[in-house]
Amino acid sequence: EPEVTQTPSHQVTQMGQEVILRCVPISNHLYFYWYRQILGQKVEFLVSFYNNEISEKSEIFDDQFSVERPDGSNFTLKIRSTKLEDSAMYFCASTGHGANVLTFGAGSRLTVL
Amino acid sequence: EDQVTQSPEALRLQEGESSSLNCSYTVSGLRGLFWYRQDPGKGPEFLFTLYSAGEEKEKERLKATLTKKESFLHITAPKPEDSATYLCAVQEGGGNFNKFYFGSGTKLNVKP
Repeated sequence: EPEVTQTPSHQVTQMGQEVILRCVPISNHLYFYWYRQILGQKVEFLVSFYNNEISEKSEIFDDQFSVERPDGSNFTLKIRSTKLEDSAMYFCASTGHGANVLTFGAGSRLTVL
Repeated sequence: EDQVTQSPEALRLQEGESSSLNCSYTVSGLRGLFWYRQDPGKGPEFLFTLYSAGEEKEKERLKATLTKKESFLHITAPKPEDSATYLCAVQEGGGNFNKFYFGSGTKLNVKP
């Protein structure tokens, strides 16, 4: 069964460092998303991406965040200068035609020290 | 304002004790309502999509129903392996069609 693959599964970084989280969405999907989940809290929307550009972003997705689809298969989330409050589980998701059912990856746990 | 509210926050059941989880929503122009299961440290796993009031979907011991303002996930004769957090999400119609709002989830614990 096709799946969304995320790397790394866990990353520990120092505050102020740049982090890149990587995702390989399902190959024939068209819409790509990043969500985050702080421990014990709800899944929060960060950004959606379609046709090589951001289609929606939340208030959380400020200038410290950026997304890219550099090579037609990978979808990356970059955090330029990490803060302690960026510690969370980051989920990549994708949807196909109809843009309805989100298929999630297993997540990347980011710990900022 | 929260668009999706789930209750209860946590639910403990004995194996075989049936119950229901609730998801109420306030988005206008619902495009779809989704139920996901999330195990600790894992990504949400899709269970059901419901599109219109009156619709029902079933899978093993789970049955999801939808009204104009809420959805229920009924669990019949649960087993310990049904223990997980169940998430509800709604997709808003119109221009924000690719935005999904998640509830905080109901953490279900089924004791043998």
